[in-house]
Parts: sequence; C-alpha cells; structure tokens
Amino acid sequence: DTGVSQDPRHKITKRGQNVTFRCDPISEHNRLYWYRQTLGQGPEFLTYFQNEAQLEKSRLLSDRFSAERPKGSFSTLEIQRTEQGDSAMYLCASSSSGGLDGYTFGSGTRLTVV
Amino acid sequence: DAKTTQPNSMESNEEEPVHLPCNHSTISGTDYIHWYRQLPSQGPEYVIHGLTSNVNNRMASLAIAEDRKSSTLILHRATLRDAAVYYCILRKGETSYDKVIFGPGTSLSVIP
Repeated sequence: DTGVSQDPRHKITKRGQNVTFRCDPISEHNRLYWYRQTLGQGPEFLTYFQNEAQLEKSRLLSDRFSAERPKGSFSTLEIQRTEQGDSAMYLCASSSSGGLDGYTFGSGTRLTVV
Repeated sequence: DAKTTQPNSMESNEEEPVHLPCNHSTISGTDYIHWYRQLPSQGPEYVIHGLTSNVNNRMASLAIAEDRKSSTLILHRATLRDAAVYYCILRKGETSYDKVIFGPGTSLSVIP
C-alpha cells in the first residue's frame, strides 16, 4: 500500500465552475476524513466517514460542498459553483480507528479559483 | 470540542534537543494526545500519540503531565529536516465521534 492518494494534485478553475476531488485511503482503514487548509492555518475539519456512512459534517461546510464514499472505499469531494474563497489545500486522511491510531494524510489537492 | 494551545514559533540549534509544549486544559479522560508535523506543500505526518504515560518512538518522545493538561514533544537532536509546523491535537478513543480541531501549530526553525 502506497499510503493515501489524492487526485489531482493541483486544480485551477474559473469561479462558478464545479470541481471534484478524489481520495484513495489506505485499504484497511475504515475511517476517512476531509480537511481544508489555507496558508498559515492548521487543517480545518470538513467531514468524516466511517465506512460508507458520513458521521460528521462541519457547520462551516456550505450546501455547495458534498462528499461521498461509496462502498466504503475511495471518496470524492465536490464543490459546486466555486468561489474565490474556496481556494485552499484540500487534505484527505484515513485511519483504522479513533484515537488509538494516527491519521495518515495524503499530499492534498491545491485548488485555485480564478 | 477540546482545543489545544501552542506557541506560534520556536527556534532550535541543529543537533540540540527541542521541547515543543502544548496546553490542553480541557482534555477529557477519553482524549488521546496526538502530534503531527507538516512540511511545506505536504500533508501532515503522524509523529506520536499517547494517553497517560510517556511514549517513545523512532521519531520523538512524548512527555505527558500527570494531570494531562499539558504535554511536550521532545526531539532529541534537531536536524534541518525537522524544520516544520508541529500540531498537537486531541482525539477521542474508540468512538464514532471523531471531529478533531487543529490549531495553527508551532513553526519550528532549525538553525545550522
């Protein structure tokens, strides 16, 4: 297993367009997380899945954001009608359990909205 | 959601030990203390975690106060590759509630 993979690494899009990011977690991990990070800040929690169930979703996440994890494997994060304020690094992480284990993060997808 | 506080930045000389502090005064009995570090343009990397007892691994040591309201990440000999942002977070044990708050972390500079 090569760790958590995220695709694409970089995405430039025009304001108003929809974008979708993909995350492939470590195969034996049943938990998957999405975070957003802007320059100089720590990662900001967006949402979390246990298997295919979405158990937590940040109140900061507007209706334009949606995440799925069909069959409890890979996950997608879609942003509709992108705004310049959506420009950030989107990080995916996985783990096998709660605090008993550490997160493994991917390298992230850098989104730039122009 | 329990939060942590860390100094914004610290400096260390190369090959000297570094002690990175973290305060978590609202920690609950089920919270594990986790440390991560992040290099530029990379995702955070797991360093170490613990519950009550001090922990050692190949990367670092974690010293946890007896009342668990603070902890210290110890890098025994800083190298230039240790220059990164270090995050201290609290994470629940085996439970379905798993929302974690990251603060801005401590930016560690290592001086050659």
